[in-house]
Amino acid sequence: DVKVTQSSRYLVKRTGEKVFLECVQDMDHENMFWYRQDPGLGLRLIYFSYDVKMKEKGDIPEGYSVSREKKERFSLILESASTNQTSMYLCASQSEATGHSNQPQHFGDGTRLSIL
Amino acid sequence: AQSVTQPDIHITVSEGASLELRCNYSYGATPYLFWYVQSPGQGLQLLLKYFSGDTLVQGIKGFEAEFKRSQSSFNLRKPSVHWSDAAEYFCAVGGKGYQKVTFGIGTKLQVIP
Repeated sequence: DVKVTQSSRYLVKRTGEKVFLECVQDMDHENMFWYRQDPGLGLRLIYFSYDVKMKEKGDIPEGYSVSREKKERFSLILESASTNQTSMYLCASQSEATGHSNQPQHFGDGTRLSIL
Repeated sequence: AQSVTQPDIHITVSEGASLELRCNYSYGATPYLFWYVQSPGQGLQLLLKYFSGDTLVQGIKGFEAEFKRSQSSFNLRKPSVHWSDAAEYFCAVGGKGYQKVTFGIGTKLQVIP
């Protein structure tokens, strides 16, 4: 079974702090994603990565950056946290799409981040 | 641009009753469709997926979904709901060989005894 582990379930930080959210997957998946989930808005893609050191912006990248130095680890960074970044953050991994398929994503349990 | 509409934000059903959750999508080519379930405090778990072939897809936990191209729909069904099915359900659409998917805003299911 695929295991996607997010380092913290709950995190409280202060405005202006630099915040790191860590995600590790154990299935050697090529693709990894960061989403934020807000009531009434569903999941919105922040960034994704399709290979080590490779990244692409999602739909809402402003105020975030990412790092993928190793295949199994994908970090989300809030450079200067703001209260509007209080949210649930979900990490996902996905095997590379082969042929005609689009593989499903496997999700971690989420990090509920509060910015005070 | 691809999009997903889940018109029902909240649904309440009695335990043992049948369930249908609606999903409509917009996608310019052959869609790849998914239903995920999220229990409180958890991440999303894949229920089922449709890529091609038989338009009626069976998933885990007794769920099924039917792809109707003419209606751009992929509704999720279960003949008899259990209390443990109370959760939030997300429909998602993606494309061929393309990693990104677009999620709907979710439908929260409440099950009453």
